[in-house]
Amino acid sequence: SAVISQKPSRDICQRGTSLTIQCQVDSQVTMMFWYRQQPGQSLTLIATANQGSEATYESGFVIDKFPISRPNLTFSTLTVSNMSPEDSSIYLCSGRDSGETQYFGPGTRLLVL
Amino acid sequence: AQSVTQLDSQVPVFEEAPVELRCNYSSSVSVYLFWYVQYPNQGLQLLLKYLSGSTLVKGINGFEAEFNKSQTSFHLRKPSVHISDTAEYFCAVIEGTSYDKVIFGPGTSLSVIP
Repeated sequence: SAVISQKPSRDICQRGTSLTIQCQVDSQVTMMFWYRQQPGQSLTLIATANQGSEATYESGFVIDKFPISRPNLTFSTLTVSNMSPEDSSIYLCSGRDSGETQYFGPGTRLLVL
Repeated sequence: AQSVTQLDSQVPVFEEAPVELRCNYSSSVSVYLFWYVQYPNQGLQLLLKYLSGSTLVKGINGFEAEFNKSQTSFHLRKPSVHISDTAEYFCAVIEGTSYDKVIFGPGTSLSVIP
């Protein structure tokens, strides 16, 4: 199984600033994803992180607000840009192996004041 | 578009009693099905998955689930719950047309009462 780590684990930020979240997988995964989880709610897919090319965003999410990079098979970053209090959430990195099993990082808890 | 329904948002159950958490999906093509558990203030952990083969799938912590294609269901069961099973449980689906995105249900909060 893959082990996924995220940095930072939590942060408190001022509105208008940006935060970059890092995701590292300990083994190769075929696909990587970024999710958002509002308190007490389910997971919402933000985008699929594509290696060496632009991420594929879901409806309601745009690259200018959530730029994503994936320079290699085991690392990805998500930036939350020009933050507002509505961006307060848990951001989860996920990786899928060749057996279609999807693993999740512990999440980054973001609070925007 | 595919969707995942978890009919019960909250399920309270006494310790050592059996529990069933319901999951239904909408898809006309083949699917992969998953159950994840999220303990308080933690990430998601895979409980079990169905990809093909036997429709009864056994997972970790004594949980099992049965895939019923005709009813498009994948209900999760445990014969005897423990206090430590208190958590949020998410059903998830990957649809066979694209096999790209995992779609999550809204979650069921299981509370085990001593």
